[in-house]
Amino acid sequence: AQSVSQHNHHVILSEAASLELGCNYSYGGTVNLFWYVQYPGQHLQLLLKYFSGDPLVKGIKGFEAEFIKSKFSFNLRKPSVQWSDTAEYFCAVFSSNTGKLIFGQGTTLQVKP
Amino acid sequence: DTAVSQTPKYLVTQMGNDKSIKCEQNLGHDTMYWYKQDSKKFLKIMFSYNNKELIINETVPNRFSPKSPDKAHLNLHINSLELGDSAVYFCASSQERENTEAFFGQGTRLTVV
Repeated sequence: AQSVSQHNHHVILSEAASLELGCNYSYGGTVNLFWYVQYPGQHLQLLLKYFSGDPLVKGIKGFEAEFIKSKFSFNLRKPSVQWSDTAEYFCAVFSSNTGKLIFGQGTTLQVKP
Repeated sequence: DTAVSQTPKYLVTQMGNDKSIKCEQNLGHDTMYWYKQDSKKFLKIMFSYNNKELIINETVPNRFSPKSPDKAHLNLHINSLELGDSAVYFCASSQERENTEAFFGQGTRLTVV
């Protein structure tokens, strides 16, 4: 069955610290990969996406993610977080075979000023 | 202009009632979704429609019935509401089934008392 796993459920960082959030998926077909962010009380917004090509993708607000096909991973990174990055982060995988956009459990990021 | 709009934003109702949540997208997308976000922030797909046709129907109680009068609208009707239905419901749309991102509405916070 298609699944998405995020390793970190709750991450607490100080401002300027580096961030890496893990995401692994289990599906062998063609997939599209996404990271979404949900700021407190708001809807989901797209941070970045991977369809094909360069496995290192850059998104908004200084975020980037690397697709490693052999590891079925799509980890999110940011070199220096800000207090305003405090939010819920979701990894998502769209499978062309199932037609489903499946989300991971989410990671709560808390950045202390 | 709001791309994906849901109404109402908040809904408080008693057990046993029937309620509807409306969703409209003005992006010209062919596919629309309903997701349920529980208290632990986990996002679970419920339904997906493509050009008014139901293509995904996850394991959801048949008290939940989606209705798509046209491809710009996907409403969610819930009969005989239960306490466990309390959650945030997100509508989303995407342009195609592959190689595209989903755009989300603001969410409807449903509280069943």
